[in-house]
Amino acid sequence: EADIYQTPRYLVIGTGKKITLECSQTMGHDKMYWYQQDPGMELHLIHYSYGVNSTEKGDLSSESTVSRIRTEHFPLTLESARPSHTSQYLCASRRGQGYSGYTFGSGTRLTVV
Amino acid sequence: SQKIEQNSEALNIQEGKTATLTCNYTNYSPAYLQWYRQDPGRGPVFLLLIRENEKEKRKERLKVTFDTTLKQSLFHITASQPADSATYLCAPPDGQNFVFGPGTRLSVLP
Repeated sequence: EADIYQTPRYLVIGTGKKITLECSQTMGHDKMYWYQQDPGMELHLIHYSYGVNSTEKGDLSSESTVSRIRTEHFPLTLESARPSHTSQYLCASRRGQGYSGYTFGSGTRLTVV
Repeated sequence: SQKIEQNSEALNIQEGKTATLTCNYTNYSPAYLQWYRQDPGRGPVFLLLIRENEKEKRKERLKVTFDTTLKQSLFHITASQPADSATYLCAPPDGQNFVFGPGTRLSVLP
């Protein structure tokens, strides 16, 4: 059973609003990630963190920002939502060492109208 | 640049048959590779990892091979069932992270 939680599961919001997508994990994993995925399309890495106070941008340019103040918490924020931000956002984590795989959350389906 | 290719976007097979999915990579040599399953609207689920010194890895009805000469990994599901219908992703490492392939959507027909 995955121990990584994303809220909300679904979100419909108006253009220009500020939103924060929550991601928490209870496994003590050092590494956490945010991916963006459109229906039927590939996963794109937008942000990652290797530990507290460490954040990096991923391969896909994104207008979102992230923070990592606590090991278990990795929220993603959009200061001003636009229709182009409509997508599914997936959070993942993994152990810092070794060949461990990712554990993914169930995702947040964001629709900006 | 590094590239990952997975065979045809969709693969349809009859229940009970063996499904074979391919993952080809170019311009780098990963020391290991992971496979994931993703159901519609959900996050991927880790299935198997295979290292370069392991030619084959098995887990129940799943079998993965890794040919570093051909730069290819094969993912087999034997005695396939409709519940195996999903998208399967290969993911070689890229530094400390992983890069996900485009996936192959498998449909097992009853």
